[in-house]
Amino acid sequence: DAKTTQPPSMDCAEGRAANLPCNHSTISGNEYVYWYRQIHSQGPQYIIHGLKNNETNEMASLIITEDRKSSTLILPHATLRDTAVYYCIVRGNQAGTALIFGKGTTLSVSS
Amino acid sequence: GAVVSQHPSWVICKSGTSVKIECRSLDFQATTMFWYRQFPKQSLMLMATSNEGSKATYEQGVEKDKFLINHASLTLSTLTVTSAHPEDSSFYICSARDGQGGQPQHFGDGTRLSIL
Repeated sequence: DAKTTQPPSMDCAEGRAANLPCNHSTISGNEYVYWYRQIHSQGPQYIIHGLKNNETNEMASLIITEDRKSSTLILPHATLRDTAVYYCIVRGNQAGTALIFGKGTTLSVSS
Repeated sequence: GAVVSQHPSWVICKSGTSVKIECRSLDFQATTMFWYRQFPKQSLMLMATSNEGSKATYEQGVEKDKFLINHASLTLSTLTVTSAHPEDSSFYICSARDGQGGQPQHFGDGTRLSIL
């Protein structure tokens, strides 16, 4: 699976949009981009995923560049409860393939 | 949405004890489940892939005789830490995917294991 690169940490003011970048320059054609987050002492929470089109759900938006080499997770109105480690993961669609976690981005939302 | 339930959420036991952790997919069938371990201030590390009705596949460096995995049904996988020692203390998390293709994996809330 392709490797991803994320900044180790980011800060965001409460109520503002949080834009978390992810580079995945070696992504291949059948690999999806997944975003998860982990709040301290909990299991990872699924946020959103996409293949090549931009996606939006009730939690966030995912913007994937046309060449698919990078993506951005957008939390439109960050709250204190969005403080967490955010993981960008690339994985193919083969059955039985696990998500492999990198170090992620620690997002700190402050009031 | 898809839910994965993990039990117990935390356990404290003496060194030498064996501990069993259960992972259930509540509203979907999972032919494959995954077990991860997470040490403090580190990311999740994949331990093994659990396949229903067959042997688990272990990642390099994970002792299969130490971490016994059983996936007897499409909704239940168990991880048994045998003869646990303090260095086995960690946060263990299971995961399963609902369906094929690009469907996301869903995670349990994890089990905090402390070996005294």
